[in-house]
Amino acid sequence: AQKVTQAQTEISVVEKEDVTLDCVYETRDTTYYLFWYKQPPSGELVFLIRRNSFDEQNEISGRYSWNFQKSTSSFNFTITASQVVDSAVYFCALSAETSGSRLTFGEGTQLTVNP
Amino acid sequence: DAGITQSPRHKVTETGTPVTLRCHQTENHRYMYWYRQDPGHGLRLIHYSYGVKDTDKGEVSDGYSVSRSKTEDFLLTLESATSSQTSVYFCAISSTGNYGYTFGSGTRLTVV
Repeated sequence: AQKVTQAQTEISVVEKEDVTLDCVYETRDTTYYLFWYKQPPSGELVFLIRRNSFDEQNEISGRYSWNFQKSTSSFNFTITASQVVDSAVYFCALSAETSGSRLTFGEGTQLTVNP
Repeated sequence: DAGITQSPRHKVTETGTPVTLRCHQTENHRYMYWYRQDPGHGLRLIHYSYGVKDTDKGEVSDGYSVSRSKTEDFLLTLESATSSQTSVYFCAISSTGNYGYTFGSGTRLTVV
């Protein structure tokens, strides 16, 4: 069985603040893949990043960065200098090798960035 | 441009009626999925397919059936719609599984 927990249901920040979205996962597999998706108010799901379990290198893409720590089973997402357009629901998800191709989602974190 | 479309985009139906949602892809991907999204639950897997006529249940499959007679189409049927099936339904496709998933725009279903 696999599970993803996003303990932060809602986060509210003021523009230009940095914000970190937490993601904790559970799986017994040694090979697995972690994802982050963004769902803006328009409703579509936008892929942000995929990381496999053998690559613990942190990644930065513009104002976005991801911190993958296998020791704590976490894959946290940080937005630096947040902007109003970052307001969305963010989902962390997990796909493990023995689960076939099924993607398990966390409950999502609603981020609101206020001007 | 993602090569995946869902129809209809919105539907209101009455309790007890059958409903079919369609997912169509032009990417020739092997894997197709149906998820439902509800507040506080994220997205939960209903059914998925790993090839033509090859399907399996997800975590919330009760009350739903699926069919995949062609690579490009994956149909989700609510056999007798209930109010608890009011939700937003997303279809997704993947070429290899685990590598990446592309989602459709979603279908908002309301059962009254």
